[in-house]
Amino acid sequence: KQEVTQIPAALSVPEGENLVLNCSFTDSAIYNLQWFRQDPGKGLTSLLLIQSSQREQTSGRLNASLDKSSGRSTLYIAASQPGDSATYLCAVPLNTDKLIFGTGTRLQVFP
Amino acid sequence: SAVISQKPSRDICQRGTSLTIQCQVDSQVTMMFWYRQQPGQSLTLIATANQGSEATYESGFVIDKFPISRPNLTFSTLTVSNMSPEDSSIYLCSVEGVGRHYGYTFGSGTRLTVV
Repeated sequence: KQEVTQIPAALSVPEGENLVLNCSFTDSAIYNLQWFRQDPGKGLTSLLLIQSSQREQTSGRLNASLDKSSGRSTLYIAASQPGDSATYLCAVPLNTDKLIFGTGTRLQVFP
Repeated sequence: SAVISQKPSRDICQRGTSLTIQCQVDSQVTMMFWYRQQPGQSLTLIATANQGSEATYESGFVIDKFPISRPNLTFSTLTVSNMSPEDSSIYLCSVEGVGRHYGYTFGSGTRLTVV
């Protein structure tokens, strides 16, 4: 059974810091991993999608890496800003197309 | 990637009533997914909606409580029936990109409060 966990559960940092959010999954037989952002009470915005054949993906100040063999992915946020404050979720799909979500990291960046 | 329009964005409902949530996609998709996110929790899949057949429900979710319609390849509704305060959650619809290479797209969510 695939289980996805994220650490830390919550993070509060001053503006400008570089951050690393962690995602672990128990079954390495995945074909991709997706990172999402969720603002309070809102839907999910896709940030990055990493295919199983890729090691990392970059979008602006965001960089996500994937190590299938160790069952880990990291989301790196460079030069954090207050606008980055949100909950960050990683998710992996099962063969049935069902997405399994991590527990989330609630990030607060203060000025 | 697909664009999903979900409504209502939020609602406050009396217990015992029902609410229907709609999702409209700007392209044709085979499967649509409905998720629930209870306060402080991550997302849990309720059911998968296929056009022309009954939805497939996950363990713990039943059709009488969460009836789903999928009349065509761009539209689906989820009804939360006979609501109780425990149904207070964010409900989201989602679609998968073509060929499993484009990830999933989510609607903007419906924030439901049952009083």
